[in-house]
Amino acid sequence: QVQLVQSGAEVKKPGSSVKVSCKVSGGTFRRNTINWVRQAPGQGLEWMGRIIPIIAITNYAQRFQGRVTITADKSTGTAYMELTSLRSEDTAVYYCARDTDYGDLMGVWGQGTLVTVSS
Amino acid sequence: DVVMTQSPLSLPVTLGQPASISCRSSQSLVYSDGNTYLNWFQQRPGQSPRRLIYRVSNRDSGVPDRFSGSGSGTDFTLKISRVEAEDVGVYYCIQGTHWPSGGLTFGGGTKVEIK
Repeated sequence: QVQLVQSGAEVKKPGSSVKVSCKVSGGTFRRNTINWVRQAPGQGLEWMGRIIPIIAITNYAQRFQGRVTITADKSTGTAYMELTSLRSEDTAVYYCARDTDYGDLMGVWGQGTLVTVSS
Repeated sequence: DVVMTQSPLSLPVTLGQPASISCRSSQSLVYSDGNTYLNWFQQRPGQSPRRLIYRVSNRDSGVPDRFSGSGSGTDFTLKISRVEAEDVGVYYCIQGTHWPSGGLTFGGGTKVEIK
């Protein structure tokens, strides 16, 4: 059974960066797309971007272009999401989620990582 | 970009009664391979989201059969035949057919609560 395990909560200063990891176990890492989704307190789900590990292709939501970088380490089966120039509005729970096939989005989710941006 | 519009925003339901959530897309979600990639998610309070339905009507493993998905083209519906207490949460739809330059967008969410 595929599981996604994310890194722990982070507290960051405005203007700094955060890098969240997502380790995939129990499945084939390379083929399936890994997405990153965030949820600000009391808000809905917001898709940030994705990576197809086998070909290292990424797509990002327009509003995060230039601030987010998603990478994948095939040797460890781990995906990463780095967000730079943090501001208070970036305080949110960040989730990774793995597609099960083309178009069958986000069938498996990580537990979420709370990132708090505060001075 | 493809816009997903959900309704209602809030859905108070009596235990044991049915519930229905609508999701409409601004473009047809039929892909060139003939499939329609419309997904439904449930997020219970304090939990990670969980996919319930993929390709309009396919239930994920472990999803109770009181949940069903239907629809075609641009109009889709998630139905709960008899709402139970554990169904409280927010439900979202998202399409996987199109990859617009702006990225993917979830529907705004429908909050299901018990009356």
